[in-house]
Amino acid sequence: DVKVTQSSRYLVKRTGEKVFLECVQDMDHENMFWYRQDPGLGLRLIYFSYDVKMKEKGDIPEGYSVSREKKERFSLILESASTNQTSMYLCASSLPRGGGNQPQHFGDGTRLSIL
Amino acid sequence: DQQVKQNSPSLSVQEGRISILNCDYTNSMFDYFLWYKKYPAEGPTFLISISSIKDKNEDGRFTVFLNKSAKHLSLHIVPSQPGDSAVYFCAASAKGSARQLTFGSGTQLTVLP
Repeated sequence: DVKVTQSSRYLVKRTGEKVFLECVQDMDHENMFWYRQDPGLGLRLIYFSYDVKMKEKGDIPEGYSVSREKKERFSLILESASTNQTSMYLCASSLPRGGGNQPQHFGDGTRLSIL
Repeated sequence: DQQVKQNSPSLSVQEGRISILNCDYTNSMFDYFLWYKKYPAEGPTFLISISSIKDKNEDGRFTVFLNKSAKHLSLHIVPSQPGDSAVYFCAASAKGSARQLTFGSGTQLTVLP
């Protein structure tokens, strides 16, 4: 079974802080993704990575950055947290397209509150 | 511009009956469609998928139908069980690197005992 582990289930930070959200997967997947989920908006893609040190912007990258130094780990960074970044953050991983159509597998999410 | 739409925010169904969840899309480049189920405080769980070369895929109680001409897909759950109560998201993917997904806004399914 694929295991995607997010380091924190709940996190409370203050406006202006630099926030790190960590995600680790154990299935040697090339692709990793960060989403945020907000009521009525579904899941929106922030950033994704298809290889170590590679990253691409998703639909809502503003205010975020990412780091992928190792294949199994993908970090989301809020450079200067703001209250509109209060949300549920979800990490996912998948095999590459060359492996055929593959679903993404999700972690349990981090509920982040910015005060 | 929402490329994947789930127009029903909620649906209630009696236990044992059929649940039908609907999803519409606008992007003609989408060629892979998925349904995810999400319980509160958990991540989405992959349920079933369908490629655009098919019009139906079945897995136990779950069947996904794809109507490409109408750009519409639906998820049928038969028979519905109380444990099926969750938020259901449809998602779509187009040919391209990394296979990123575009999600709908979700439908809360409640199965009444």
